[in-house]
Amino acid sequence: DQQVKQNSPSLSVQEGRISILNCDYTNSMFDYFLWYKKYPAEGPTFLISISSIKDKNEDGRFTVFLNKSAKHLSLHIVPSQPGDSAVYFCAASGGTSGTYKYIFGTGTRLKVLA
Amino acid sequence: GAGVSQSPRYKVAKRGQDVALRCDPISGHVSLFWYQQALGQGPEFLTYFQNEAQLDKSGLPSDRFFAERPEGSVSTLKIQRTQQEDSAVYLCASSPLISAGELFFGEGSRLTVL
Repeated sequence: DQQVKQNSPSLSVQEGRISILNCDYTNSMFDYFLWYKKYPAEGPTFLISISSIKDKNEDGRFTVFLNKSAKHLSLHIVPSQPGDSAVYFCAASGGTSGTYKYIFGTGTRLKVLA
Repeated sequence: GAGVSQSPRYKVAKRGQDVALRCDPISGHVSLFWYQQALGQGPEFLTYFQNEAQLDKSGLPSDRFFAERPEGSVSTLKIQRTQQEDSAVYLCASSPLISAGELFFGEGSRLTVL
């Protein structure tokens, strides 16, 4: 049972435009969410996080939105740059999974076209 | 460097061999995690250490998998009698916190079982 789902395996966006990556979760007890970026042959690197007490968190070009009622979060990248091309994973923790155990989605491969 | 270091980066094993994967976390990080990432999937939780205590090993797929962190620093993931389905990237992550927060990942150890 996939508790964290990223239904779009891939996404292509023109340089300078907005990239929107989506993530859905099923466990209403999740209360902390993170986005990671992964380049080939490297480990995931942290991008941005949000706790369930907020509905938006912004860091430079990256903004994460959380819709608790829909159990949905999204990552917006504006403007997109070729260096943003990578696989993006969302992850969630909380509830019976524990505050330390992150459940990851399957990832979305973003390609930013120059 | 000051990041999480994993070795070996690549390991090829014949089915039935035992393997040991090492993780050197960021100095002073209390929490250490092992994740398994199969091709095209997101990282899946294996086990969690807080200092030297293994608080959660619910993700270990079988009793062939064993992890230790005897002095609360370096950790080793051991897989006995490897099977083809063990082929994956094994990611180690550490965190200075004992609850929700950013995980710092290593580059991973890619295991291929022939």
